[in-house]
Amino acid sequence: GAVVSQHPSRVICKSGTSVKIECRSLDFQATTMFWYRQFPKQSLMLMATSNEGSKATYEQGVEKDKFLINHASLTLSTLTVTSAHPEDSSFYICSAESEPGGEQYFGPGTRLTVT
Amino acid sequence: RKEVEQDPGPFNVPEGATVAFNCTYSNSASQSFFWYRQDCRKEPKLLMSVYSSGNEDGRFTAQLNRASQYISLLIRDSKLSDSATYLCVVNPRGSSASKIIFGSGTRLSIRP
Repeated sequence: GAVVSQHPSRVICKSGTSVKIECRSLDFQATTMFWYRQFPKQSLMLMATSNEGSKATYEQGVEKDKFLINHASLTLSTLTVTSAHPEDSSFYICSAESEPGGEQYFGPGTRLTVT
Repeated sequence: RKEVEQDPGPFNVPEGATVAFNCTYSNSASQSFFWYRQDCRKEPKLLMSVYSSGNEDGRFTAQLNRASQYISLLIRDSKLSDSATYLCVVNPRGSSASKIIFGSGTRLSIRP
């Protein structure tokens, strides 16, 4: 099946700093990628939909100025958590779809801890 | 009402048992349905897509009931390795736009 990579897999940063997470589709082109966040023992929550070459679409309650998304190519989307706070500590997962409405391939996730 | 609802469980069943989960969805126009499996602290992985005609993959059977707006997953002869959280996933907008909605997941624990 299709492969999606995410980097880094784990990051610890200090409060107030910014962290960039990369999501890459390795063997297919993804016009649309998705960013999710999952807190412990909770379900995946969609944060934003990332479209190649255009602005991301953010879900209600997600601050676009805090979570910067860039989808510069058909195989790469980045999520930057700006001015991170401890409450941003979570498991961030990206996914990419090979075709609209089809299966979503998930990256392995990035565990962010803000101290 | 949530767009996708699942019984959170946990379901604790003995090895070899048959277990079934249901998931209801609110948008009758939904087109695509999936079951994903998520192990602890890992990303979700597709278990199977759900088709109108139903589909079976080994010990796993998925069914779709459009009239009642639910999908189901049946696991037969459960194994210890089946212990995981099972996520019901629905694409509420059909094939033209892909904003899939995840259920909160059903935790399954298989005991020896």
